[in-house]
Amino acid sequence: DIQMTQSPASLSASLGETVSIECLASEGISNDLAWYQQKSGKSPQLLIYAASRLQDGVPSRFSGSGSGTRYSLKISGMQPEDEADYFCQQSYKYPYTFGAGTKLELK
Amino acid sequence: QVQLQQSGTELVKPASSVKISCKASGYTFTSNYMHWIRQQPGNGLEWIGWIYPGNGNTKYNQKFDGKATLTADKSSSTAYMQLSSLTSEDSAVYFCAREQIYYYDGYYHVGVMDAWGQGASVTVSS
Repeated sequence: DIQMTQSPASLSASLGETVSIECLASEGISNDLAWYQQKSGKSPQLLIYAASRLQDGVPSRFSGSGSGTRYSLKISGMQPEDEADYFCQQSYKYPYTFGAGTKLELK
Repeated sequence: QVQLQQSGTELVKPASSVKISCKASGYTFTSNYMHWIRQQPGNGLEWIGWIYPGNGNTKYNQKFDGKATLTADKSSSTAYMQLSSLTSEDSAVYFCAREQIYYYDGYYHVGVMDAWGQGASVTVSS
């Protein structure tokens, strides 16, 4: 199985601060990488697909980048509503696998 | 708009089975793969498998072979997941999620889950 190592496990950011979350795949995944946001007690919501494509309706402060085995999610200007857990997911090979998640809190 | 409405909380006994439903609306049910994902308390997400309601084809994570059985009823636009031989390890929230395929950069990107159900909580306890 492809292992997705996500870092950091948690972070705290001030209002307006730019934050980055990384995912490292155990092998190349050809940009078959999605990012999801999960708020407390809710289901995950798609933010980014194909490593860098913004899902319709997602604020433009969210962006994704990367290639090969290294991918990142950036939030340019932390907002209170961005407080959530974030997960990466690869769909390059079965079984699909997720990162362990990053808990983002507002400082 | 796309909606996936899941069945409610289940409290079940060890060694029993449970069947969770996921009713789809707002799109053509038979045209998209439906995935199932497990989230154990305080843990991350695990992919269980998918079903294609158009023809009933399924694909499972080997870890869940024999544990999960995916079915779909086209007449009611409802997907189901049955979990068998339940143990405390199966206590979790189970999500259904619709797959969307995106064409970008000369390549079809599959396995992207663009709509999720609200989750169904299963607690296994005697």
